Amino acid sequence: QVQLVESGGGLVKPGGSLRLSCAASGFTFSDYYMSWIRQAPGKGLEWVSYISSSGSTIYYADSVKGRFTISRDNAKNSLYLQMNSLRAEDTAVYYCARDFGMAAHDYWGQGTLVTVSS
Amino acid sequence: QSALTQPASVSGSPGQSITISCTGTSSDVGGYNYVSWYQQHPGKAPKLMIYEVSNRPSGVPDRFSGSKSGNTASLTISGLQAEDEADYYCSSYTSSSTPVFGTGTKVTVL
Repeated sequence: QVQLVESGGGLVKPGGSLRLSCAASGFTFSDYYMSWIRQAPGKGLEWVSYISSSGSTIYYADSVKGRFTISRDNAKNSLYLQMNSLRAEDTAVYYCARDFGMAAHDYWGQGTLVTVSS
Repeated sequence: QSALTQPASVSGSPGQSITISCTGTSSDVGGYNYVSWYQQHPGKAPKLMIYEVSNRPSGVPDRFSGSKSGNTASLTISGLQAEDEADYYCSSYTSSSTPVFGTGTKVTVL
C-alpha cells in the first residue's frame, strides 16, 4: 500500500534552517509529481511546492520562494524540503503528498510539525 | 494567488443534504476542470474526496458529489452521516500552473 512518511520537523529559531524528508513506498515513486503542503495551527491548507517526476520542473508558493528548496532522490524514493531563513509564519504541520492529475493529491503523509520560535 | 472562498461553516441533520461552495475566478476554478475536494478530520491528514470537479476516487461513498458552474464549484453530501463531520477544503489548478486551496469549511452534523 502507498505510504508517505515525513520526518525532520522540530523547533528552530527565526532565521534558522531545517530539512524535511518524506520516504515513499508502495508505488513507483519516479512516476509521480510530488508536493509539500502545510497547515498552520488552527488554519487552512496552503500549497508550498511541487516537483515533477524527474525533478526538472519545480514551482513554489510566493510565500516561500527564494527560501525553500524542494528536491527528490528517485533512487532512494525520497522527497525533500530544505527550508532556510525560517520565519514565525512558517510554523505549521508540513505534509508531503502524491500528485494525482492536475492540482489533486491522492495520498498524504501524516505530517511533521515545524515550529519557528525564539 | 488568493485562497478560494468557502463558507466558514455548514451544518445539517443526519440524512439531510448539504452543499459547500468554493468560489474563485476565471484564472482558477472558472478556467479549468481541475477542482478537487478534501475531507480532514481533527488531527488527521486530508483525504481526497473528489477530483476533476466531479470524479470520486475508489472507496469514496457516492453520497459525495461535485459540480461546477462558472467560477464556483460545489461539493454536495447527500444522506449526511455523523462521520461526515469534518473540515472540507477545495482546491483548484490555476493559470500560474500551481494549485490553490480554499479557506475551508467546517461541517457539523446536528
